[in-house]
Amino acid sequence: NAGVTQTPKFRVLKTGQSMTLLCAQDMNHEYMYWYRQDPGMGLRLIHYSVGEGTTAKGEVPDGYNVSRLKKQNFLLGLESAAPSQTSVYFCASSPPGSSGRNEQFFGPGTRLTVL
Amino acid sequence: AQRVTQPEKLLSVFKGAPVELKCNYSYSGSPELFWYVQYSRQRLQLLLRHISRESIKGFTADLNKGETSFHLKKPFAQEEDSAMYYCALVYGGATNKLIFGTGTLLAVQP
Repeated sequence: NAGVTQTPKFRVLKTGQSMTLLCAQDMNHEYMYWYRQDPGMGLRLIHYSVGEGTTAKGEVPDGYNVSRLKKQNFLLGLESAAPSQTSVYFCASSPPGSSGRNEQFFGPGTRLTVL
Repeated sequence: AQRVTQPEKLLSVFKGAPVELKCNYSYSGSPELFWYVQYSRQRLQLLLRHISRESIKGFTADLNKGETSFHLKKPFAQEEDSAMYYCALVYGGATNKLIFGTGTLLAVQP
């Protein structure tokens, strides 16, 4: 099993360009999450999904959109990239329900630079 | 509102010395806490969870509700322990969302 995979690994954009980051998981997990990791700020939740066809906002959703058309995929879109969106983006998945046993499984990350 | 605080950005110790990575939380409900670790050039992975009361790679963490803390400890540090450590709190009911601390970089010197 590949676990959680992310595409692409690296990307450089110019201000105003758009792009989509793809997250895929093969663990049949219901829940999926998108985070951004910035120096000195840890990981912050952008959007999340508790099932196919459903999405919700996290802590820092502005400037991003998401879609979960298939259970195994969770897409993160930037419609008009800004330098403030330069970051490392992590996707994660987990089994459903709130439990201290339900760890999140992370992808390898996508390093995005917006010039 | 929920919050996780890791006061140390960097903790540098010598091999064989004891390690304590601090984590304090603020949460109105019953806390569920994790420690995640990110080794160089690797993805974030779970180290341990408080509900299991386990010891992983020699690390332990005890939930202290009175002090609202979940410090990570290891009696004798190894060079391979060098990594970024994140404390995380579950919130948001059944959504299993995590709020992370800002992380502590542990550097174990030979």
